[in-house]
Amino acid sequence: QKEVEQNSGPLSVPEGAIASLNCTYSDRGSQSFFWYRQYSGKSPELIMSIYSNGDKEDGRFTAQLNKASQYVSLLIRDSQPSDSATYLCASSRGSGTYKYIFGTGTRLKVLA
Amino acid sequence: DTAVSQTPKYLVTQMGNDKSIKCEQNLGHDTMYWYKQDSKKFLKIMFSYNNKELIINETVPNRFSPKSPDKAHLNLHINSLELGDSAVYFCASSQSRSTRTYEQYFGPGTRLTVT
Repeated sequence: QKEVEQNSGPLSVPEGAIASLNCTYSDRGSQSFFWYRQYSGKSPELIMSIYSNGDKEDGRFTAQLNKASQYVSLLIRDSQPSDSATYLCASSRGSGTYKYIFGTGTRLKVLA
Repeated sequence: DTAVSQTPKYLVTQMGNDKSIKCEQNLGHDTMYWYKQDSKKFLKIMFSYNNKELIINETVPNRFSPKSPDKAHLNLHINSLELGDSAVYFCASSQSRSTRTYEQYFGPGTRLTVT
């Protein structure tokens, strides 16, 4: 069983719409969660981190965490063609361990 | 200024050769990592150093040997390169605390092609 699962996509949304990216994790000891964006041929770029249940907003991005359901999501409001990329979800146990477990990523296409 | 840098950006070599990749970070972080991203884009941790001490050593062939001369540098040496070593290798760094894992920042990657 994969430790962090994401739908590989592609997820296609029209420009201006809300893109919803989802991630589930199997390790109940996970405490920290991260969303990265990776453009083709580039390195992963941190978008947001979330550590507590609930929502965390940063500009057009909102991360949502539900530890009881072992579910993390990323909402992108007013999606732009420049948001087209692969979005990676990662989890970590924290507490002195530094290992991230990455999902395989969801490819997002924003259609102009 | 580049926060996490890697050299070289591209590396093309033949099977059996030995090569090194270098990483430097100027963020003042205490932890550095090596990741491998394969052709299917799966990103997997290989090694991690915290304050020059090896703290993560995943199931990686002995041909891969990391070395951290100081907190700001982490190198990866690969002996007897094989075709399956072809991938993009990313260096990352973070400032970690005992109770929470903080964000990791990635370098630009080194695309290794073994022929």
